[in-house]
Amino acid sequence: KQEVTQIPAALSVPEGENLVLNCSFTDSAIYNLQWFRQDPGKGLTSLLLIQSSQREQTSGRLNASLDKSSGRSTLYIAASQPGDSATYLCAASDNYGQNFVFGPGTRLSVLP
Amino acid sequence: DGGITQSPKYLFRKEGQNVTLSCEQNLNHDAMYWYRQDPGQGLRLIYYSQIVNDFQKGDIAEGYSVSREKKESFPLTVTSAQKNPTAFYLCASSTPTGYGYTFGSGTRLTVV
Repeated sequence: KQEVTQIPAALSVPEGENLVLNCSFTDSAIYNLQWFRQDPGKGLTSLLLIQSSQREQTSGRLNASLDKSSGRSTLYIAASQPGDSATYLCAASDNYGQNFVFGPGTRLSVLP
Repeated sequence: DGGITQSPKYLFRKEGQNVTLSCEQNLNHDAMYWYRQDPGQGLRLIYYSQIVNDFQKGDIAEGYSVSREKKESFPLTVTSAQKNPTAFYLCASSTPTGYGYTFGSGTRLTVV
């Protein structure tokens, strides 16, 4: 059964820093991997989706990488801003892309 | 604008009562999902549906029931058999292979 973990559980950085969030999954037979953002008391917003055949995806200041062989994905945030403060969750899909298993999330605080 | 609407935003249930959470989407997505989120934990899948009139149990289906009579609607009933129903419930929809994953804003259920 797929398990997804995220390190660190919480992270606090000063504004302007570049940072990396880590995601690990146990079963490499995934269809795709997604990174989501969740603001307190809100639903999730999809940030990036990486197909299993891809190595990385970029959107603005965000870059996500995928290494299926090692069971790892990273989310890189460049030049962090206070508005980036949120919980970031990664999710790995099953081999058909139908169901996602979510990690517990990393709670990010960017201090002005 | 297309999206997912969950209602109500807050719901209080007495012991022994069944309650139904609403989820409606106008994204023309075939797949819909219900997740439960507890403090400090990731999302856990309750039920999912790939097509109308068909649905499958997720990891924690006991004490819950769903229906999928229309493509746009996927209501979740929390029955009295669910022993610890207090949680944040999230509905999502996507294409059959996980693209366009969109979440609603959630319903917070509290047992009083």
